[in-house]
Amino acid sequence: AQSVTQPDIHITVSEGASLELRCNYSYGATPYLFWYVQSPGQGLQLLLKYFSGDTLVQGIKGFEAEFKRSQSSFNLRKPSVHWSDAAEYFCAVGARNTDKLIFGTGTRLQVFP
Amino acid sequence: KAGVTQTPRYLIKTRGQQVTLSCSPISGHRSVSWYQQTPGQGLQFLFEYFSETQRNKGNFPGRFSGRQFSNSRSEMNVSTLELGDSALYLCASSLASGPQETQYFGPGTRLLVL
Repeated sequence: AQSVTQPDIHITVSEGASLELRCNYSYGATPYLFWYVQSPGQGLQLLLKYFSGDTLVQGIKGFEAEFKRSQSSFNLRKPSVHWSDAAEYFCAVGARNTDKLIFGTGTRLQVFP
Repeated sequence: KAGVTQTPRYLIKTRGQQVTLSCSPISGHRSVSWYQQTPGQGLQFLFEYFSETQRNKGNFPGRFSGRQFSNSRSEMNVSTLELGDSALYLCASSLASGPQETQYFGPGTRLLVL
């Protein structure tokens, strides 16, 4: 069965510092992987997605993620965090021929000035 | 282009009542999915509709039902509400079904069951 694990519930970083949010997945075939962000009172916004090809994926707002099959990971990174990046981040896995996504439990990012 | 619209945004109901939530997808989008978000269970998939057909259903009791109309608008209904149904209900739309299509989420309907 598909599953997604986000080991970090809450992360605090200083503005300007680098960021890495961890995501591990369990899926039998090549997964479809996503990172979404949710600001308070908002819906989810897609940051980036991976289906195949280049394992380093670029997304919006300066985010990138790297797919590592050997580690079943899809970690999200940003070289320099801005205060506006404070939000909750969700990793998700999808499957072929369906819109259904399995989400991780989320990581809440707090940014200090 | 307008985004995904969900109505109402907030709703308070009492146990035993039923509720209907509405989702208007982005114009031209034919696929709609629903998710329930709670602090305890996180984001859980409810249903997926494409061209008025339910393609997939999550692991929820039969009290949760949905449908999609010919204009792609979708509704979900919860009958005999329980306290545990209090949640943020999110709708997402995409051009077509499948993970290659980007899903755009609405702001959600926050349901409180008293």
